[in-house]
Amino acid sequence: QLVLTQSPSASASLGASVKLTCTLSSGHSTYAIAWHQQQPEKGPRYLMKINSDGSHNKGDGIPDRFSGSSSGAERYLTISSLQSEDEADYYCQTWGTGIHVVFGGGTKLTVL
Amino acid sequence: QLQVQESGPGLVKPSETLSLTCTVSGGSISSSTYYWGWVRQPPGKGLEWIGSIYYSGSTYYNPSLKSRVTISVDTSRNQFSLKLSSVTAADTAVYYCASHNAVTTFDYWGQGTLVTVSS
Repeated sequence: QLVLTQSPSASASLGASVKLTCTLSSGHSTYAIAWHQQQPEKGPRYLMKINSDGSHNKGDGIPDRFSGSSSGAERYLTISSLQSEDEADYYCQTWGTGIHVVFGGGTKLTVL
Repeated sequence: QLQVQESGPGLVKPSETLSLTCTVSGGSISSSTYYWGWVRQPPGKGLEWIGSIYYSGSTYYNPSLKSRVTISVDTSRNQFSLKLSSVTAADTAVYYCASHNAVTTFDYWGQGTLVTVSS
């Protein structure tokens, strides 16, 4: 079964960097994923797609502070030079055969 | 730039049918690249994909909702719609429409509309 696992919460200081992790379920380690940001009281915003080789394609207007990488079944979102507006929920999302779309449970990022 | 915007009633009675429309602007709903999708988020919870449609009418639904969901497209109006039947309080959520790029990533999201199921 295709499942994405995320830590419920993360925190980092203003100006620092943080790396969020999304883990694909067993047997699905070659899947690409997408990261979405949801600021408080707003709709989600597409950040980027990350392939299994670590290559990634960002959405429109996404700052260079946001980057993606991959290792095995894990897909990462790194945010550098953290700003207050980066405090948000971050969701990973993937898609399987038969067109089955799956979201991770989300990670709530707190900027200290 | 592509934009999508949800519209529809904010209150639906239990057992009735929820109906929402999404209007696409800044591009054609008949694009060969995009499917068009619906995603919902219950209060305080995560995102759940409902289903997606191509301009030709081809659809894909979340198996857990498939028996109650119908998604349709109106290319003349650049709109697509969601109907969810036999709603209960568990269907109370913010409903988002989004462009679904080749049935992979959701590239452009609407701002969402809260639908409450209550008598």
